[in-house]
Amino acid sequence: QKEVEQDPGPLSVPEGAIVSLNCTYSNSAFQYFMWYRQYSRKGPELLMYTYSSGNKEDGRFTAQVDKSSKYISLFIRDSQPSDSATYLCAMSFPGGTSYGKLTFGQGTILTVHP
Amino acid sequence: DVKVTQSSRYLVKRTGEKVFLECVQDMDHENMFWYRQDPGLGLRLIYFSYDVKMKEKGDIPEGYSVSREKKERFSLILESASTNQTSMYLCASSTAGANTGELFFGEGSRLTVL
Repeated sequence: QKEVEQDPGPLSVPEGAIVSLNCTYSNSAFQYFMWYRQYSRKGPELLMYTYSSGNKEDGRFTAQVDKSSKYISLFIRDSQPSDSATYLCAMSFPGGTSYGKLTFGQGTILTVHP
Repeated sequence: DVKVTQSSRYLVKRTGEKVFLECVQDMDHENMFWYRQDPGLGLRLIYFSYDVKMKEKGDIPEGYSVSREKKERFSLILESASTNQTSMYLCASSTAGANTGELFFGEGSRLTVL
């Protein structure tokens, strides 16, 4: 069993839809959670970071962490064609983040069509 | 603008060849990483380095070695390339002690081993 599981999709939605992306993990020692976005033929870029249970908002994006269920989500409101990318969840242990040592999910390919 | 530069975007090599992948960062980061990215498997850590001449194995180091002689440069070496090393290789860097989990990635080197 992988430490981090993420449905690879692909996921295709119409413009304006609410998108929900999810990851589950098996190791309760993970304490820091991130979402990266990767456009085609580019490297991943950090989109959101959180270390506590609950919700964190940044514009149209909301990251949600439920440590009791070992489940994290990324919601995208009013999705746009420019949101079309691969979304990767990532997480780390305490101390691991300071070394940048992350464990990634498989990535979900998202397409938002006009 | 921060930058991680990978010297080759596309390489084609033959089985048994020695392959060098070079990575340079201009952000004075302490930590540097080599990941490989494969469909359905996400990003997997090969090696990382948190200081010059220091290196640590990641999750899949077999068949690879690394070199970090200068702070800004981190090289991945395939001593004898094999077809199962055909992949996208991503270099990344991060600053020590940052707890945001932010890695800065290069654009990747796509290696095909025939």
